[in-house]
Amino acid sequence: AQTVTQSQPEMSVQEAETVTLSCTYDTSESDYYLFWYKQPPSRQMILVIRQEAYKQQNATENRFSVNFQKAAKSFSLKISDSQLGDAAMYFCAYRSAEDSSYKLIFGSGTRLLVRP
Amino acid sequence: DTEVTQTPKHLVMGMTNKKSLKCEQHMGHRAMYWYKQKAKKPPELMFVYSYEKLSINESVPSRFSPECPNSSLLNLHLHALQPEDSALYLCASSRGTVDGYTFGSGTRLTVV
Repeated sequence: AQTVTQSQPEMSVQEAETVTLSCTYDTSESDYYLFWYKQPPSRQMILVIRQEAYKQQNATENRFSVNFQKAAKSFSLKISDSQLGDAAMYFCAYRSAEDSSYKLIFGSGTRLLVRP
Repeated sequence: DTEVTQTPKHLVMGMTNKKSLKCEQHMGHRAMYWYKQKAKKPPELMFVYSYEKLSINESVPSRFSPECPNSSLLNLHLHALQPEDSALYLCASSRGTVDGYTFGSGTRLTVV
């Protein structure tokens, strides 16, 4: 069974600085997708960024980028120029591309605090 | 329309009540999901519907009964719940395996 681990329960960053959130996962599959979701206090889960395992190039979405290390099974999220609105819970998630379940497996989450 | 709409946003119910949660999307997504989320925890999968058919039930107690009347609508019928069922219930949809989910804003359920 696949597992996703986020070892940082909470992180803090100064506004305008850069922060990196860690995520590792365990799988025996070779084809899968990885995601970072943001959940602000408004509670809606928002997709931040997506990475396809067969693509070597790291995904980037504006101030958000990932460092995907397939051999190490690591998928960290870098937030540049942090803004107050980035404060939220961040969940790393895994989804198999080899079965039809569409099941999304979440890590335990990292709470990001942004200091003004 | 790029949203998943959940109603109601808040629900308080007694242990003998019957209530329903509603989820609607008009993005043409063919997979829809119910997740349960306790405070400060990640969402836990409850049910997956694919092409309007139940494809996954994660051993959820029978007091939770899902229904997918059509490709745009997903319901969760609640009956004889326990206080420990109090949680945020999230609905989501996806086009397929490639895409991430689109989540609704959830229903905050309190069982008294």
